[in-house]
Amino acid sequence: TQLLEQSPQFLSIQEGENLTVYCNSSSVFSSLQWYRQEPGEGPVLLVTVVTGGEVKKLKRLTFQFGDARKDSSLHITAAQTGDTGLYLCAGPQSGGYQKVTFGIGTKLQVIP
Amino acid sequence: DVKVTQSSRYLVKRTGEKVFLECVQDMDHENMFWYRQDPGLGLRLIYFSYDVKMKEKGDIPEGYSVSREKKERFSLILESASTNQTSMYLCASSFHLGGLTYEQYFGPGTRLTVT
Repeated sequence: TQLLEQSPQFLSIQEGENLTVYCNSSSVFSSLQWYRQEPGEGPVLLVTVVTGGEVKKLKRLTFQFGDARKDSSLHITAAQTGDTGLYLCAGPQSGGYQKVTFGIGTKLQVIP
Repeated sequence: DVKVTQSSRYLVKRTGEKVFLECVQDMDHENMFWYRQDPGLGLRLIYFSYDVKMKEKGDIPEGYSVSREKKERFSLILESASTNQTSMYLCASSFHLGGLTYEQYFGPGTRLTVT
């Protein structure tokens, strides 16, 4: 079974601070996705990383895929209250049908 | 934009009732999924479907069944609701790309409470 471990599980920071959250596995993934889920809503896809070492930027969010495609990180610069939410990483399971393994997530709270 | 809708945002049912949760997607996706999400346990796959009338069990299918009579619609059925099925239920869909991305698109969720 391919597992994705996310750390930290909880993070509370002041507005304007920088932060990094991590998604790690002992398995190689062909790609990893990051989702953000606001309270009471469904997850929304932020980005997909496919190539080892790839870096993608989405405004103040920077996503990196590890060289060995076993891990990924999400860095947020100058966090805003609108960044509050649950950040999930996910990767495709082997075996077809496009089943996905999800991490438990990092719950981020940005305090004004 | 891909749109996935779920029939109810909040639902309160009594123990033993039969419960239907419906999900509709408008992007002609082949794959559809039902998850439940509980604190500390993350997203757990209940059932998925890769084509009309086709279904596969996920990690926690006990107490649930599904129906997919049309491509755009995937229903989750709780045959006899129990209090341990109180949860957030999320529907998702994805293309059958045969590629690498496996991106899923989620509905807003149904918060089900069984009393």
